[in-house]
Amino acid sequence: DQQVKQNSPSLSVQEGRISILNCDYTNSMFDYFLWYKKYPAEGPTFLISISSIKDKNEDGRFTVFLNKSAKHLSLHIVPSQPGDSAVYFCAASGGSTLGRLYFGRGTQLTVWP
Amino acid sequence: EPEVTQTPSHQVTQMGQEVILRCVPISNHLYFYWYRQILGQKVEFLVSFYNNEISEKSEIFDDQFSVERPDGSNFTLKIRSTKLEDSAMYFCASSPSGGITEAFFGQGTRLTVV
Repeated sequence: DQQVKQNSPSLSVQEGRISILNCDYTNSMFDYFLWYKKYPAEGPTFLISISSIKDKNEDGRFTVFLNKSAKHLSLHIVPSQPGDSAVYFCAASGGSTLGRLYFGRGTQLTVWP
Repeated sequence: EPEVTQTPSHQVTQMGQEVILRCVPISNHLYFYWYRQILGQKVEFLVSFYNNEISEKSEIFDDQFSVERPDGSNFTLKIRSTKLEDSAMYFCASSPSGGITEAFFGQGTRLTVV
């Protein structure tokens, strides 16, 4: 079951630069997408979301872009900070699955000074 | 800030034993979930619960699993006869509605079956 894919297991970025995390999905019924951030020994923490009726959502340093035709979304973090170092999960929901989230495998982001 | 609380943080059990994982969801939330993450793998949906009944379950959630909301605050996951492959981090989550909204996750219970 690979309905949500994060093909990059890790990403390393210098502090102050942009981090771009990518996510692809296969199920065209998905209509809501979320990014979660996870630190070790903690649960996933909601970061930002986007509905399929939009192509961009911005919250401070975090922007999510959605390209429905390509079934692709990305999370941009600008500027990146060392505290952003965590595992980032892309998740999707929609169709008949009320509230059920499908997660990608996650991308470990490391922001170095 | 309201949060989802899970106990215990770590549970070690012998294969074949029953375990109960406990969760206190955020008080005004109506939808409750259990997810799990086997080491090195993705977070997987187990079950959703609304209005005192299961609203959806995955293929993972077989007869050895059950959920209950025994009172107004707790939400439990019972694994009847644990297997080695049940070893995972189990996350409880809640959301104010089941539709387009984010779920809030607890810190997880690490279950180790030996």
